[in-house]
Amino acid sequence: DAKTTQPPSMDCAEGRAANLPCNHSTISGNEYVYWYRQIHSQGPQYIIHGLKNNETNEMASLIITEDRKSSTLILPHATLRDTAVYYCIVRASYGGSQGNLIFGKGTKLSVKP
Amino acid sequence: NAGVTQTPKFRILKIGQSMTLQCAQDMNHNYMYWYRQDPGMGLKLIYYSVGAGITDKGEVPNGYNVSRSTTEYFPLRLELAAPSQTSVYFCASRLTSGGDTGELFFGEGSRLTVL
Repeated sequence: DAKTTQPPSMDCAEGRAANLPCNHSTISGNEYVYWYRQIHSQGPQYIIHGLKNNETNEMASLIITEDRKSSTLILPHATLRDTAVYYCIVRASYGGSQGNLIFGKGTKLSVKP
Repeated sequence: NAGVTQTPKFRILKIGQSMTLQCAQDMNHNYMYWYRQDPGMGLKLIYYSVGAGITDKGEVPNGYNVSRSTTEYFPLRLELAAPSQTSVYFCASRLTSGGDTGELFFGEGSRLTVL
């Protein structure tokens, strides 16, 4: 089973920031937080990942709480093309089965004009 | 680079038929994966491989077989197709050497219907 809890759906107005929450209260010290998204029926696309510190790239920002039990993915200026299912995943840092990505149901983000 | 290429994109099978879903990657990634996604659900891991000649079961391996004779190819075999195997199948790859970010690269998917 996925180790994360996400709301099933969220709406966001175009041009506004989209803040997607994720709870991972049982996360271990060696587990990273990953975010992927899946647009319509395409293969999932990597967005960002982090361990302890906040991270930012050209797509999004990832804010991880100090106790690491939750995180928030921020899309700073959502566009209609950001409408997708967003998956929050925790993953061990090493290989083998413990390094595999286990997907939950994610959050369906709808960006509205 | 073409990335991860899956064929076929669509296929209809009759119950009891067999087929192979093809997956190829040209990024020299050592890890490869097969996931399935049922309507409205997240992805479930079927099988994975950490390198040529090495495969292992994921969450839902029953009814499937895989092989990994080379780094590039990771075919998924369905024996005796059943309606429960109607799904979209995604192949993915990952590089774990030289700085593993854990990022998976996915193919476009193969949509399989078993009637």
